[in-house]
Amino acid sequence: DTGVSQNPRHKITKRGQNVTFRCDPISEHNRLYWYRQTLGQGPEFLTYFQNEAQLEKSRLLSDRFSAERPKGSFSTLEIQRTEQGDSAMYLCASSPRGGWLQIRQYFGPGTRLTVL
Amino acid sequence: AQKVTQAQTEISVVEKEDVTLDCVYETRDTTYYLFWYKQPPSGELVFLIRRNSFDEQNEISGRYSWNFQKSTSSFNFTITASQVVDSAVYFCALRHFGNEKLTFGTGTRLTIIP
Repeated sequence: DTGVSQNPRHKITKRGQNVTFRCDPISEHNRLYWYRQTLGQGPEFLTYFQNEAQLEKSRLLSDRFSAERPKGSFSTLEIQRTEQGDSAMYLCASSPRGGWLQIRQYFGPGTRLTVL
Repeated sequence: AQKVTQAQTEISVVEKEDVTLDCVYETRDTTYYLFWYKQPPSGELVFLIRRNSFDEQNEISGRYSWNFQKSTSSFNFTITASQVVDSAVYFCALRHFGNEKLTFGTGTRLTIIP
C-alpha cells in the first residue's frame, strides 16, 4: 500500500488569498478525514467523508472553508480569504470500510500553511 | 463531551531509561476506543496502538507497553530501555463507538538524550 499523500507539503500565502490543498487517500479507503494542527496542540477534527458524502463538519470549519470529495477518491480543502489564524498543519487521514480495520485512521504527512 | 488530557508537556530522559507517558480521558459513553500515535519531526502521525473500552487487558509490543485502567480513565504508555529514535511527540486520542471523530490530547514531547 502507498500511504495517504498530501500536496503541497508547504504553502506560504499572503493574507486574503485563497488556497487549496489536495489529499489522496489509500486506495479503496472509503472514509476520509481532515484535521488541523496548530503549534503545540494535538490535531483537531474538521470534517469527514464517506465516499463522496460529507457526513460531519466541525464548528471549526467556518464559512471560508470548504471541502469536497467529488468522486469518492481524492479530496480538496479550500480556504478562502486566508487569515493569519489559519496558519497550521492540515492533516488528512483515511480508513477502510468494514470491521475493526475501519477504526484506525491512517494519516498523511500534512500540508503546512503559513499565512503572512 | 469528550476530552483527553496529557499533563506532561515535555519529558527528557537519558537513553536506556524507562519512561511513562500519561493519558487521562473523559467520556460519558460506555463504548469507545483509545489510541496512541507518534509524531516524529517529519510530521506524519504514526499509529502505535488501539484499545477498546471493553478490553482492559494490558498490551506489550517489544519495548512498548500500555496500561489501560477504566476505573481511573487512564491509558498510559511506557517505553522500556528508551532509544534516541523514540524522540517524538506522542498523542493519546479517544473515539466514541459510532462516531468517526478522533479527539486528541495536546501531546507529550519526548526527548531521549544520548
